[in-house]
Amino acid sequence: LAKTTQPISMDSYEGQEVNITCSHNNIATNDYITWYQQFPSQGPRFIIQGYKTKVTNEVASLFIPADRKSSTLSLPRVSLSDTAVYYCLVAGGYQKVTFGTGTKLQVIP
Amino acid sequence: AAGVIQSPRHLIKEKRETATLKCYPIPRHDTVYWYQQGPGQDPQFLISFYEKMQSDKGSIPDRFSAQQFSDYHSELNMSSLELGDSALYFCASSLGVGGRHHEKLFFGSGTQLSVL
Repeated sequence: LAKTTQPISMDSYEGQEVNITCSHNNIATNDYITWYQQFPSQGPRFIIQGYKTKVTNEVASLFIPADRKSSTLSLPRVSLSDTAVYYCLVAGGYQKVTFGTGTKLQVIP
Repeated sequence: AAGVIQSPRHLIKEKRETATLKCYPIPRHDTVYWYQQGPGQDPQFLISFYEKMQSDKGSIPDRFSAQQFSDYHSELNMSSLELGDSALYFCASSLGVGGRHHEKLFFGSGTQLSVL
Protein backbone atom coordinates (compact mmCIF):
# COMPACT_ATOMS: atom_id res chain seq x y z
CA LEU A 1 0.00 0.00 0.00
CA ALA A 2 1.67 3.23 -1.19
CA LYS A 3 2.14 5.72 1.64
CA THR A 4 1.95 9.39 0.82
CA THR A 5 3.73 12.34 2.40
CA GLN A 6 2.60 15.94 1.95
CA PRO A 7 3.40 19.21 3.69
CA ILE A 8 1.07 19.72 6.64
CA SER A 9 0.30 23.32 5.77
CA MET A 10 0.98 26.05 3.23
CA ASP A 11 0.15 29.73 2.99
CA SER A 12 -0.27 31.65 -0.23
CA TYR A 13 -1.44 35.09 -1.26
CA GLU A 14 -4.41 35.52 -3.50
CA GLY A 15 -3.59 35.44 -7.20
CA GLN A 16 -0.47 33.34 -6.80
CA GLU A 17 0.14 29.89 -8.20
CA VAL A 18 0.30 27.19 -5.55
CA ASN A 19 2.19 23.92 -5.95
CA ILE A 20 1.65 21.10 -3.47
CA THR A 21 3.99 18.15 -3.78
CA CYS A 22 3.19 14.65 -2.62
CA SER A 23 5.80 11.91 -2.18
CA HIS A 24 4.82 8.31 -2.82
CA ASN A 25 8.06 6.34 -3.09
CA ASN A 26 6.38 2.93 -2.99
CA ILE A 27 3.88 3.56 -5.76
CA ALA A 28 2.94 0.39 -7.63
CA THR A 29 2.67 -0.08 -11.37
CA ASN A 30 -1.12 -0.11 -11.38
CA ASP A 31 -1.57 2.80 -8.94
CA TYR A 32 -3.22 6.05 -9.97
CA ILE A 33 -2.64 9.39 -8.25
CA THR A 34 -5.74 11.31 -7.27
CA TRP A 35 -6.11 14.65 -5.50
CA TYR A 36 -9.11 15.70 -3.45
CA GLN A 37 -10.12 19.01 -1.88
CA GLN A 38 -12.02 19.20 1.38
CA PHE A 39 -13.73 22.17 3.00
CA PRO A 40 -14.70 22.04 6.70
CA SER A 41 -17.69 19.79 7.40
CA GLN A 42 -17.97 18.77 3.74
CA GLY A 43 -17.06 15.60 1.94
CA PRO A 44 -13.84 15.53 -0.09
CA ARG A 45 -14.23 16.61 -3.68
CA PHE A 46 -12.32 15.14 -6.62
CA ILE A 47 -9.92 17.59 -8.24
CA ILE A 48 -7.73 15.67 -10.66
CA GLN A 49 -6.31 12.24 -11.36
CA GLY A 50 -3.33 11.05 -13.33
CA TYR A 51 -1.06 8.10 -14.02
CA LYS A 52 2.02 9.72 -15.57
CA THR A 53 3.26 12.95 -17.21
CA LYS A 54 0.94 15.93 -17.02
CA VAL A 55 -2.80 16.21 -16.67
CA THR A 56 -4.73 19.47 -16.81
CA ASN A 57 -8.37 20.28 -16.25
CA GLU A 58 -10.35 23.44 -15.67
CA VAL A 59 -9.25 23.82 -12.04
CA ALA A 60 -5.76 22.34 -11.70
CA SER A 61 -2.77 20.64 -13.24
CA LEU A 62 -1.05 17.51 -12.06
CA PHE A 63 2.61 16.91 -12.81
CA ILE A 64 3.99 13.39 -12.45
CA PRO A 65 7.68 12.70 -13.19
CA ALA A 66 8.78 9.61 -15.08
CA ASP A 67 9.64 7.65 -11.92
CA ARG A 68 6.17 8.44 -10.46
CA LYS A 69 7.61 8.64 -6.94
CA SER A 70 6.08 12.07 -6.45
CA SER A 71 3.42 14.28 -7.90
CA THR A 72 2.68 18.00 -7.80
CA LEU A 73 -0.74 19.58 -7.75
CA SER A 74 -0.68 23.05 -9.26
CA LEU A 75 -3.47 25.52 -8.55
CA PRO A 76 -3.26 28.61 -10.76
CA ARG A 77 -4.08 32.02 -9.32
CA VAL A 78 -5.65 30.90 -6.04
CA SER A 79 -8.48 32.81 -4.42
CA LEU A 80 -9.76 32.87 -0.85
CA SER A 81 -12.25 30.16 -1.75
CA ASP A 82 -9.37 27.75 -2.41
CA THR A 83 -8.60 27.68 1.32
CA ALA A 84 -9.10 24.01 2.12
CA VAL A 85 -7.32 20.75 2.90
CA TYR A 86 -5.84 18.97 -0.10
CA TYR A 87 -5.27 15.23 -0.11
CA CYS A 88 -3.08 13.14 -2.38
CA LEU A 89 -4.23 9.54 -2.71
CA VAL A 90 -2.46 6.67 -4.40
CA ALA A 91 -4.50 3.59 -5.14
CA GLY A 92 -5.07 1.05 -7.82
CA GLY A 93 -5.88 -2.53 -8.40
CA TYR A 94 -7.76 -3.90 -5.46
CA GLN A 95 -6.22 -1.77 -2.71
CA LYS A 96 -8.38 0.09 -0.26
CA VAL A 97 -8.59 3.83 -0.86
CA THR A 98 -7.07 5.48 2.21
CA PHE A 99 -6.37 9.10 3.05
CA GLY A 100 -3.07 10.21 4.47
CA THR A 101 -2.39 13.52 6.18
CA GLY A 102 -3.52 16.31 3.91
CA THR A 103 -2.11 19.76 3.25
CA LYS A 104 -3.98 22.64 4.81
CA LEU A 105 -3.80 25.52 2.35
CA GLN A 106 -4.52 28.98 3.68
CA VAL A 107 -4.99 31.69 1.07
CA ILE A 108 -4.26 35.16 2.39
CA PRO A 109 -5.87 38.29 0.98
CA ALA B 1 -26.49 15.52 -11.72
CA ALA B 2 -27.40 13.10 -8.97
CA GLY B 3 -24.98 12.95 -6.07
CA VAL B 4 -24.33 10.63 -3.16
CA ILE B 5 -27.09 11.01 -0.60
CA GLN B 6 -26.55 10.35 3.08
CA SER B 7 -29.12 10.31 5.82
CA PRO B 8 -29.60 11.55 8.37
CA ARG B 9 -27.55 14.73 8.13
CA HIS B 10 -27.28 14.99 11.90
CA LEU B 11 -27.78 12.38 14.59
CA ILE B 12 -27.62 12.69 18.35
CA LYS B 13 -27.39 9.55 20.45
CA GLU B 14 -26.63 8.58 24.03
CA LYS B 15 -23.82 6.28 25.08
CA ARG B 16 -24.56 2.59 24.55
CA GLU B 17 -27.33 3.33 22.04
CA THR B 18 -27.33 2.16 18.43
CA ALA B 19 -27.31 4.17 15.23
CA THR B 20 -27.89 3.41 11.57
CA LEU B 21 -26.45 5.59 8.84
CA LYS B 22 -27.67 5.30 5.28
CA CYS B 23 -25.96 5.96 1.99
CA TYR B 24 -27.46 6.10 -1.48
CA PRO B 25 -24.76 6.03 -4.16
CA ILE B 26 -24.86 7.75 -7.50
CA PRO B 27 -27.02 5.70 -9.91
CA ARG B 28 -25.04 2.91 -11.61
CA HIS B 29 -22.19 3.17 -9.14
CA ASP B 30 -21.47 -0.26 -7.73
CA THR B 31 -18.86 0.51 -5.09
CA VAL B 32 -19.49 2.18 -1.75
CA TYR B 33 -16.95 3.34 0.82
CA TRP B 34 -17.42 4.48 4.42
CA TYR B 35 -15.09 6.90 6.18
CA GLN B 36 -15.00 8.33 9.68
CA GLN B 37 -13.57 11.81 10.29
CA GLY B 38 -13.08 13.12 13.81
CA PRO B 39 -12.68 16.85 14.53
CA GLY B 40 -9.44 18.08 12.98
CA GLN B 41 -8.59 14.61 11.73
CA ASP B 42 -8.15 13.11 8.28
CA PRO B 43 -10.81 10.74 6.94
CA GLN B 44 -10.25 7.18 8.16
CA PHE B 45 -11.30 4.34 5.92
CA LEU B 46 -13.78 1.99 7.57
CA ILE B 47 -15.08 -0.43 4.99
CA SER B 48 -16.05 -0.75 1.34
CA PHE B 49 -18.37 -2.85 -0.78
CA TYR B 50 -18.29 -3.82 -4.41
CA GLU B 51 -21.31 -5.42 -6.00
CA LYS B 52 -22.88 -6.03 -2.60
CA MET B 53 -19.86 -7.89 -1.26
CA GLN B 54 -17.38 -6.51 1.23
CA SER B 55 -14.28 -5.59 -0.74
CA ASP B 56 -11.98 -4.02 1.85
CA LYS B 57 -11.91 -3.47 5.57
CA GLY B 58 -10.12 -0.74 7.44
CA SER B 59 -10.19 0.44 11.03
CA ILE B 60 -13.82 -0.42 11.63
CA PRO B 61 -14.60 -1.38 15.25
CA ASP B 62 -16.25 -4.73 15.89
CA ARG B 63 -19.25 -2.80 17.24
CA PHE B 64 -19.87 -1.52 13.73
CA SER B 65 -21.21 -3.47 10.81
CA ALA B 66 -22.24 -2.53 7.31
CA GLN B 67 -23.79 -3.99 4.23
CA GLN B 68 -24.71 -3.08 0.70
CA PHE B 69 -28.17 -3.99 -0.49
CA SER B 70 -29.52 -5.19 -3.82
CA ASP B 71 -30.31 -1.61 -4.87
CA TYR B 72 -26.66 -0.71 -4.03
CA HIS B 73 -27.52 1.52 -1.10
CA SER B 74 -25.49 0.86 2.01
CA GLU B 75 -26.08 1.09 5.74
CA LEU B 76 -23.57 1.46 8.53
CA ASN B 77 -24.84 0.03 11.80
CA MET B 78 -23.20 1.19 14.99
CA SER B 79 -23.92 -0.39 18.36
CA SER B 80 -22.87 0.28 21.95
CA LEU B 81 -21.98 3.82 20.98
CA GLU B 82 -19.10 5.49 22.78
CA LEU B 83 -18.23 9.15 23.18
CA GLY B 84 -15.27 8.61 20.84
CA ASP B 85 -17.61 7.62 18.03
CA SER B 86 -18.67 11.24 17.68
CA ALA B 87 -17.50 12.19 14.21
CA LEU B 88 -18.50 13.01 10.68
CA TYR B 89 -19.22 9.85 8.71
CA PHE B 90 -18.82 10.04 4.96
CA CYS B 91 -20.00 7.69 2.34
CA ALA B 92 -18.51 7.71 -1.14
CA SER B 93 -19.37 5.85 -4.29
CA SER B 94 -17.53 5.00 -7.46
CA LEU B 95 -17.90 2.94 -10.56
CA GLY B 96 -15.60 0.06 -9.87
CA VAL B 97 -13.93 -1.58 -12.80
CA GLY B 98 -14.04 -5.20 -11.80
CA GLY B 99 -13.54 -4.06 -8.22
CA ARG B 100 -10.41 -2.11 -9.02
CA HIS B 101 -10.11 1.03 -6.96
CA HIS B 102 -8.64 3.62 -9.24
CA GLU B 103 -11.86 5.28 -10.20
CA LYS B 104 -12.55 8.65 -8.63
CA LEU B 105 -14.71 8.74 -5.54
CA PHE B 106 -17.77 10.90 -5.15
CA PHE B 107 -18.53 11.81 -1.55
CA GLY B 108 -21.78 12.59 0.19
CA SER B 109 -22.27 15.49 2.58
CA GLY B 110 -21.79 13.23 5.57
CA THR B 111 -23.67 12.40 8.74
CA GLN B 112 -22.60 14.26 11.85
CA LEU B 113 -22.95 11.84 14.75
CA SER B 114 -22.83 13.22 18.26
CA VAL B 115 -22.73 10.78 21.15
CA LEU B 116 -23.62 12.31 24.50
